[in-house]
Amino acid sequence: SAVISQKPSRDICQRGTSLTIQCQVDSQVTMMFWYRQQPGQSLTLIATANQGSEATYESGFVIDKFPISRPNLTFSTLTVSNMSPEDSSIYLCSAPGRITTDTQYFGPGTRLTVL
Amino acid sequence: AQSVTQLDSHVSVSEGTPVLLRCNYSSSYSPSLFWYVQHPNKGLQLLLKYTSAATLVKGINGFEAEFKKSETSFHLTKPSAHMSDAAEYFCVVRSGNTPLVFGKGTRLSVIA
Repeated sequence: SAVISQKPSRDICQRGTSLTIQCQVDSQVTMMFWYRQQPGQSLTLIATANQGSEATYESGFVIDKFPISRPNLTFSTLTVSNMSPEDSSIYLCSAPGRITTDTQYFGPGTRLTVL
Repeated sequence: AQSVTQLDSHVSVSEGTPVLLRCNYSSSYSPSLFWYVQHPNKGLQLLLKYTSAATLVKGINGFEAEFKKSETSFHLTKPSAHMSDAAEYFCVVRSGNTPLVFGKGTRLSVIA
């Protein structure tokens, strides 16, 4: 498996501000993933973060709104920029297992509320 | 293209009775299939996975699922529900290295 931690666990922010979420994995992984889970909804992939290259964004998500950094093989950040109440969601980081690379494991999530 | 349909948005069972959460998938290639559980205010936990080995897969906490290619199904079952099983359950499909595709989730309620 993989042990994944995220910071902060939750935050309440004012509209127009930005929040950076950190994700740490306990092993080196090539790909890390960022998901959004809107209230009462399923998970939607925002982007895939590859070390040493630009993140790959899914349809409906853009780099200006959700810039991602991937400085090394165990760490990534997701920034939610110029926030609005519609950005209120749980944001989850995910990575494959160290041995079971065909399985993704998830961090505990960051619960964001935008006022 | 891949997709997952969880046939019930909410399932309610009595404690000690069987659980059945239904999932149908669509995939162009041999899929990997997963069930994850999300307890309130918690992250996602892997329950079990199918990756082309045995079609009957056993997971944690007494859950199991059977891959049925002819029916394109991967239903999750448990013989006897426990109060602690109350949570949101997600069926997930993946082909090769493509991103995970999540179903909409099934909320399981367990009545004492």
